[in-house]
This record gives sequence, structure tokens and C-alpha cells, in this order.
Amino acid sequence: AQSVTQLGSHVSVSEGALVLLRCNYSSSVPPYLFWYVQYPNQGLQLLLKYTTGATLVKGINGFEAEFKKSETSFHLTKPSAHMSDAAEYFCALLNQAGTALIFGKGTTLSVSS
Amino acid sequence: DTAVSQTPKYLVTQMGNDKSIKCEQNLGHDTMYWYKQDSKKFLKIMFSYNNKELIINETVPNRFSPKSPDKAHLNLHINSLELGDSAVYFCASSPGTGGAATEAFFGQGTRLTVV
Repeated sequence: AQSVTQLGSHVSVSEGALVLLRCNYSSSVPPYLFWYVQYPNQGLQLLLKYTTGATLVKGINGFEAEFKKSETSFHLTKPSAHMSDAAEYFCALLNQAGTALIFGKGTTLSVSS
Repeated sequence: DTAVSQTPKYLVTQMGNDKSIKCEQNLGHDTMYWYKQDSKKFLKIMFSYNNKELIINETVPNRFSPKSPDKAHLNLHINSLELGDSAVYFCASSPGTGGAATEAFFGQGTRLTVV
């Protein structure tokens, strides 16, 4: 069965510090992977996605993620956190049939000044 | 012009009532979805429709019935509301399934509170 695991339900960083949000997946087929961000009382916004090709994927707002097949990981990073990055982040995997997203449980990112 | 719009944004209702949430997309997409986000913020697929045809119906109580009058609309009707139905419901759409499902857009969500 396919699944997504986000390690750490809550990550706190200082403004200007590196952001690292961890995501591991389980899939018997080549995965399509996503990171979404949810700001309070808002919908989900796509940060970036990996389908095929280059394993380092750049997204919006300075975020990037690297697909590592050997580690079954797709960790999200940003070199320097900004206060506006404080939000809920979800890693997701497209199911094998290509008909729905399977989400991790989310990681809350807090940024302090 | 909002790509995927849901109405209402907030819905407070009493147990036992019947309510509907509407979703419309103006992207010309063929596939639409309903996801449920529970109180712990966990997101899970409820239904997927492709060209007005139901393609996913996860383990959801029969009290939940999706209706797709056309490709641009996917409404969610809930009968006999229970306290446990309180959640945020997200509508989404994508150009299609498979690789096209990677281009999914989400609505702003409908926060349903059952009292």
C-alpha cells in the first residue's frame, strides 16, 4: 500500500535559519510527489512537485525538494526562513491509479524573530 | 476570478440536519475531488469524479452523496449530520487523471461545524 510519512508534526526555526521538513514515502510504482502549503483558514497551495526527470525540484517562495529513491524521501528545504513561511506543510503522493492524492499528516512550521 | 470556488465558506448546523456544499471550477478540468480535513488537519480523499463519472468512493458513510451535474460542478450533500462530520471539506480539480492529476487546484475549503 502507498503511504506518506512526515517526520515531526511541529518544526520551529528562527528567522533566517534553514528550514528542513522531512517526508518519506512508500510506493511500489515510481512516485509522483508533492509539497503543499496551507496558511491559516486557507486552501492548499502547491509549492512544488516531482514527476520525472531532475531529482532536485525548485518551487515557489524559495523552497526546493530533492527526490531520493534510495532513501524513499522527498524532504523540503529553504535556505533562509521568513516569518511569512509559518504555515502547515503537507507532503503528498499521487495514488497508483492516478486518481487521488495521499497526504502525510502535515508539519506545522513556526518561525520566530 | 477564482479557479475553484466553494460555497459556503463556513457552515454551522445542528445534528440531524441535511446540508449541501457547492463547488465550481472554471479551469475546464475533467476531474474533480472532495477531500476531508479532520480536526487534526489530516487530509483524506472522499470522492473523485472524472467527466461526471464517479471513479473513487472511499469508505465514506452513505449519508454523504456527491452530485456532478456537469464537469464544472461537484456538489456534496450530507444527510443526517453528526458531530463527527465537523471538518473542513476541500474541493479540488485537475485536467484529468494519471499524469494530469499532478496539476490539481484546491478550493478555499468549507468549514462545517455540527452542533
